[in-house]
Amino acid sequence: QSALTQPPSVSGSPGQSVTISCTGTSSDVYASNRVSWYQQPPGTAPKLIIFEVSFRPSGVPARFSGSKSGNTASLTISGLQADDEADYYCCLYTISSTYVFGSGTKVTVL
Amino acid sequence: QVHLVQSGAEVKKPGASVKVSCKASGYTFTNYAIHWVRQAPGQRLEWVGWINGDNGNTKYSQKFQGRVTFTTDTSANIAYMELSSLRSEDTAVYYCARADFWSGYYRWFDPWGQGTPVTVS
Repeated sequence: QSALTQPPSVSGSPGQSVTISCTGTSSDVYASNRVSWYQQPPGTAPKLIIFEVSFRPSGVPARFSGSKSGNTASLTISGLQADDEADYYCCLYTISSTYVFGSGTKVTVL
Repeated sequence: QVHLVQSGAEVKKPGASVKVSCKASGYTFTNYAIHWVRQAPGQRLEWVGWINGDNGNTKYSQKFQGRVTFTTDTSANIAYMELSSLRSEDTAVYYCARADFWSGYYRWFDPWGQGTPVTVS
């Protein structure tokens, strides 16, 4: 089963852009568009921000965008704001019909 | 507005069982599934499994197979997760989340319940 690796932390100043990678150890990510992203501010429940690699649910700002290249999915936050500080997790639907989450990335706004 | 409200914190002894509830409102319960995800202190999210809100079909992560049971009460729009033979490693916050079935899989989890802390000690 695929393990998903994310950088432990990324940081940026307000207004800058940051990108979080999510890399699979097998071909799961390469072969699938079934990747979603979740934002988890400290002490709260996760919130859906991207599904199927690049689709944003209604209400999620366009500053959040998703993409995929090869075995790596990415989440980009443009125009970084203070309330973007949170942990971010990617999630993959695997060929075994199960779900696996990434290791998580802490975003810090400097 | 769609809401999932979970039951309160639990403290259990090793070997005991815990049952967590997740009450749904604001949507047709039988049109969606409920997934369960847990998060140990300082750790990543970990998928536990799902239950179909319509027919009660379930799928469990292999890690929890044999120890976890999902059920629903469709008359009350409530989903339950029961975890047995608890050990200290099961100490975590347990979340429920609504899931939409599309093109052969559940493509997103939204919204999530507020989480239920379970402490095994």
